[in-house]
Amino acid sequence: NAGVTQTPKFQVLKTGQSMTLQCAQDMNHNSMYWYRQDPGMGLRLIYYSASEGTTDKGEVPNGYNVSRLNKREFSLRLESAAPSQTSVYFCASSEAISGGVTEAFFGQGTRLTVV
Amino acid sequence: GENVEQHPSTLSVQEGDSAVIKCTYSDSASNYFPWYKQELGKRPQLIIDIRSNVGEKKDQRIAVTLNKTAKHFSLHITETQPEDSAVYFCAASIGGGFKTIFGAGTRLFVKA
Repeated sequence: NAGVTQTPKFQVLKTGQSMTLQCAQDMNHNSMYWYRQDPGMGLRLIYYSASEGTTDKGEVPNGYNVSRLNKREFSLRLESAAPSQTSVYFCASSEAISGGVTEAFFGQGTRLTVV
Repeated sequence: GENVEQHPSTLSVQEGDSAVIKCTYSDSASNYFPWYKQELGKRPQLIIDIRSNVGEKKDQRIAVTLNKTAKHFSLHITETQPEDSAVYFCAASIGGGFKTIFGAGTRLFVKA
């Protein structure tokens, strides 16, 4: 099992360009997440999908859109990249159980630089 | 709003000593509290977790305690080793469990 796979691993964008970060999991998890990680600020939730067909805003959704394409895939789109979106992006998935969720499994991360 | 605060931001201990990291959360409906370890350049990985119906959980050198009344939980690492050096994140699942909010992280240095 590959777990959670993100592409690309590195990306440099110019201000105003758009791009989509891809994420796929092979653990049959219901829930998927996108986080960004900035120095000294931990992991901040951008969007999450509790189950296939649903998406919800997290702590910092502005400037991003998501698509839960199917149970395996959850993509993150930057429509018009800004320097403030320079960060490391992590996709994660977890199983939904009665009353909550279980451990989150993270992808290897995407290091995005916007110049 | 929803918030998880984590202290200290940096912790330096001598090998063999204990390390304690503390977190507080704001949403009383939170019911799942995981702790993740992130080594430099790697992805976060779960080291231990606790649910709201349990007050304490232990796994070898690692333990977590939860005080629901005070809305705080702590990670305890005993007999620290150099390989414990990493960034540790606490988290709390809120909003029915799907929305997991992380603390800002604690950078732990274990000196040999």
